[in-house]
Amino acid sequence: DTAVSQTPKYLVTQMGNDKSIKCEQNLGHDTMYWYKQDSKKFLKIMFSYNNKELIINETVPNRFSPKSPDKAHLNLHINSLELGDSAVYFCASSLGPYSYEQYFGPGTRLTVT
Amino acid sequence: KQEVTQIPAALSVPEGENLVLNCSFTDSAIYNLQWFRQDPGKGLTSLLLIQSSQREQTSGRLNASLDKSSGRSTLYIAASQPGDSATYLCAVSQAGTALIFGKGTTLSVSS
Repeated sequence: DTAVSQTPKYLVTQMGNDKSIKCEQNLGHDTMYWYKQDSKKFLKIMFSYNNKELIINETVPNRFSPKSPDKAHLNLHINSLELGDSAVYFCASSLGPYSYEQYFGPGTRLTVT
Repeated sequence: KQEVTQIPAALSVPEGENLVLNCSFTDSAIYNLQWFRQDPGKGLTSLLLIQSSQREQTSGRLNASLDKSSGRSTLYIAASQPGDSATYLCAVSQAGTALIFGKGTTLSVSS
């Protein structure tokens, strides 16, 4: 059973389009995250939700909007995609915020052409 | 602002060698430190989590130590195998933010 899953695994789209990435965890965790891994493989936090409430919102363009319909799901919607958005996006979850071990999904490779 | 540094950036060793990967961080006010493994094109696999009150954690051939006061952690891999080849990432957690990652050490173990 996959603990943290993401769909799609690969996403190729053109500049200006709007796309969504979905994440689901079956670990019963309260906290979920979105991280971005850039072309230099550096991982940075984007957002975090705890019990469906936004608790971390790093300096991210407002074209990116996370949505948490319930504790098990955290989706990422991106409007007006730009070339610089090309990256691998990882979802993660933990029992609670900040001090708990995080478990990562397999990643979604987004390519904007 | 917390910064996490991993040295070396890349490491090549022959099979069977014991090796040490280093991680340093600038702010000692952390909750814990987590070591991950990332295979090419794959997600992150958690290897070890050390709470700030702990000095070390062990899992199989892996041993991670933490010296919070000096801002350092090491990941020791015993008797390395080709299957250990991957990128190893170190990350710290702090209040008010999620994991802060280093840029990783890419390990290559040759048979």
